[in-house]
Amino acid sequence: DTGVSQNPRHKITKRGQNVTFRCDPISEHNRLYWYRQTLGQGPEFLTYFQNEAQLEKSRLLSDRFSAERPKGSFSTLEIQRTEQGDSAMYLCASSLSGLDRFPLGNGELFFGEGSRLTVL
Amino acid sequence: EDQVTQSPEALRLQEGESSSLNCSYTVSGLRGLFWYRQDPGKGPEFLFTLYSAGEEKEKERLKATLTKKESFLHITAPKPEDSATYLCAVPPQGTGFQKLVFGTGTRLLVSP
Repeated sequence: DTGVSQNPRHKITKRGQNVTFRCDPISEHNRLYWYRQTLGQGPEFLTYFQNEAQLEKSRLLSDRFSAERPKGSFSTLEIQRTEQGDSAMYLCASSLSGLDRFPLGNGELFFGEGSRLTVL
Repeated sequence: EDQVTQSPEALRLQEGESSSLNCSYTVSGLRGLFWYRQDPGKGPEFLFTLYSAGEEKEKERLKATLTKKESFLHITAPKPEDSATYLCAVPPQGTGFQKLVFGTGTRLLVSP
């Protein structure tokens, strides 16, 4: 399978614990994104990387959240001291820069299946 | 603040009963509008990008259109496999496609 891969798919943790999610993008994609989605809502942007550089972070990304993409390939999203409000689906997506407009591309984001976090 | 509003929140159709979903946005200088489909427990799957008012895109039973204030996703003669949540998204004003603002989606259920 050459799509975006996320692990683990499900994580149940107790409040105050730390959790880490991993995303493996499509191999040739240089952009990687993290979004968060709660029940009944659309995805909300958290952060994105171009290669290994984190170029933008949402104000939703509090100090307890940290994302890395050390070699411009896979990425990790760590949440420290989890709170019940962190319960959500964490979605990773990837894309290749320069493909936003016809005829080169359509700006499509390729999403993984997500990592669902439940904080008890 | 840039906003995307989708309606209706939920829509139930009989197989073959055509309808339209609406996405209205408040972004100035729209650079593009995206439609995604999301199945339960899965990530969104790309459907269309529309770049300017008057543009239309089609894929099987789906047709997306764009005006200066809103977009419609028309579903012609839907089948049960079209059941999903349909999400609309736009890049915030002054940004590229690096981040998107999504609507809350329309949950479509097509009954046989």
